[in-house]
Amino acid sequence: KQEVTQIPAALSVPEGENLVLNCSFTDSAIYNLQWFRQDPGKGLTSLLLIQSSQREQTSGRLNASLDKSSGRSTLYIAASQPGDSATYLCAGITNAGKSTFGDGTTLTVKP
Amino acid sequence: NAGVTQTPKFRVLKTGQSMTLLCAQDMNHEYMYWYRQDPGMGLRLIHYSVGEGTTAKGEVPDGYNVSRLKKQNFLLGLESAAPSQTSVYFCASSYFLGLAGGPSSYNEQFFGPGTRLTVL
Repeated sequence: KQEVTQIPAALSVPEGENLVLNCSFTDSAIYNLQWFRQDPGKGLTSLLLIQSSQREQTSGRLNASLDKSSGRSTLYIAASQPGDSATYLCAGITNAGKSTFGDGTTLTVKP
Repeated sequence: NAGVTQTPKFRVLKTGQSMTLLCAQDMNHEYMYWYRQDPGMGLRLIHYSVGEGTTAKGEVPDGYNVSRLKKQNFLLGLESAAPSQTSVYFCASSYFLGLAGGPSSYNEQFFGPGTRLTVL
């Protein structure tokens, strides 16, 4: 059974700092790894999708990497801003279409 | 495009009542999913569908039924609601996962805004 763990559970940083969020998964047979952002009381917004054949994806100040052999993915946020404050979730998706989510990392960026 | 929409946004039920949550997507996606999100439990997959007329069980299927009679709609039913089913329910959809090597945005899951359900 796939298990996805996100560390840390919560993180507070001053504005402008670069930071890394971690996601680890137990089953390396994932097809995709997707990172989401969730604001309080809202739905999930897709940030980045890494397919199994890729090692990283970039979008603006965000960079996500995937290492299937070690069962890890990281989300790097450069020059953090207060607007980045949210919960960040990762999800591993198998080629059968099933997905497993981590519990998320709640990020607070202080002005 | 409206993306993924969910109806209703909020609902309060009494124990034993039944209801159906509707998810609709206008992106011609093959795959559709129903999740529930609870504090401290993260997002858990209830049921999913890989195409019209198909459904499959996820991690927590008990107490729920689903139907995918049309490609654009995925219905989640609660036949006899219980307080343990108080949760926020999210629907998601994505393209067919078999097309490796496609554009980087292929196979992304797109989520609806959620339905907040309370069972008293």
